[in-house]
Amino acid sequence: NAGVTQTPKFQVLKTGQSMTLQCAQDMNHNSMYWYRQDPGMGLRLIYYSASEGTTDKGEVPNGYNVSRLNKREFSLRLESAAPSQTSVYFCATKPGQVNQPQHFGDGTRLSIL
Amino acid sequence: RKEVEQDPGPFNVPEGATVAFNCTYSNSASQSFFWYRQDCRKEPKLLMSVYSSGNEDGRFTAQLNRASQYISLLIRDSKLSDSATYLCVVNPLTGGGNKLTFGTGTQLKVEL
Repeated sequence: NAGVTQTPKFQVLKTGQSMTLQCAQDMNHNSMYWYRQDPGMGLRLIYYSASEGTTDKGEVPNGYNVSRLNKREFSLRLESAAPSQTSVYFCATKPGQVNQPQHFGDGTRLSIL
Repeated sequence: RKEVEQDPGPFNVPEGATVAFNCTYSNSASQSFFWYRQDCRKEPKLLMSVYSSGNEDGRFTAQLNRASQYISLLIRDSKLSDSATYLCVVNPLTGGGNKLTFGTGTQLKVEL
């Protein structure tokens, strides 16, 4: 049982390149999330999808786009990468019930030169 | 005021000690509360949910004080393996109840 799978695990990009981070879950959860985590900053929500077919901005959406392809998959796209987007990116999922916790993938470490 | 506030630490304690962390939250309508553990450069993992009556899981005890809007985590008989960052997490019921708010974490270092 894989849970929440993120690909790739590591990536180095040059400024201006584009890339898509993939997240897939086999937990049948309704909601999916993308966070970034920088040293000393804690987790910051980029975008989330409460259910299939919906997406909403989080705290730091600028420079990113998302697609909820189906219930299982939620991708994060950087159209023109900037050094400020160097970070660790975590995908998370959550069941629809309010009192349930989130479950995280093991992260994508992205460096932009 | 931040939605969720934690003392960043680090808390340096000897092995076998008891240590407690507090976390305050600003939205009185918040319903669900959790403690997560995050090891260095790893993903956050659920440690335990926090229930209104308080709950215990082995050496870990979580408490909720709605009147004062804080939750706490007590770790007894600390182990070296407990060294990690502990994240306080609250569901403020905004965004349809689908968005959790994470504190920035309290760092614990357990030493010999």
